[in-house]
Amino acid sequence: DTGVSQDPRHKITKRGQNVTFRCDPISEHNRLYWYRQTLGQGPEFLTYFQNEAQLEKSRLLSDRFSAERPKGSFSTLEIQRTEQGDSAMYLCASSRDRSTDTQYFGPGTRLTVL
Amino acid sequence: AQKVTQAQTEISVVEKEDVTLDCVYETRDTTYYLFWYKQPPSGELVFLIRRNSFDEQNEISGRYSWNFQKSTSSFNFTITASQVVDSAVYFCALTHTGTASKLTFGTGTRLQVTL
Repeated sequence: DTGVSQDPRHKITKRGQNVTFRCDPISEHNRLYWYRQTLGQGPEFLTYFQNEAQLEKSRLLSDRFSAERPKGSFSTLEIQRTEQGDSAMYLCASSRDRSTDTQYFGPGTRLTVL
Repeated sequence: AQKVTQAQTEISVVEKEDVTLDCVYETRDTTYYLFWYKQPPSGELVFLIRRNSFDEQNEISGRYSWNFQKSTSSFNFTITASQVVDSAVYFCALTHTGTASKLTFGTGTRLQVTL
């Protein structure tokens, strides 16, 4: 299988700008997850898709964040009006159908908000 | 609520030494899964192992071994004869069999292996 891919790998933006990240899961993986990782911490869950349906969102996902997975394939994560506190690594993971299946992670998108 | 504690923030060893990374977890679920992931400097989380709560057998894979003890809620990871390529941050994680099965991660242990 080709692994999970994410684009871009790095993004530098100015405060107040909008940014969008893309995640391509492993083919035939129905579940897709977004996590956020800040320096010195473990990844924290943001949201989860089963096919095209967004089934769970963390309280970390403020109104400025929106995620989509049209057609149940790739997913996008958009952050509007970025703040310096949004600076982090955004990780995408995918897994097969069952809730017990292993999540495989992409390389992440490192966001720096100036 | 679930919680994973990795008390060791950073460990430094000399190549060929054995090293054990500790992981202690908290959960109210009777069915759950434990994981270890490796995060090298490149940033990508690499899956190492998954164990379910009903299987307490220890596992060995090459230089890696895992000790799962339900009685102490621990899932420790040992690297035998460490190598420089083992240098990375290692994360222990926990999930339950809910709808999302989101992972709860510890804060990680940074392992530095030097020559």
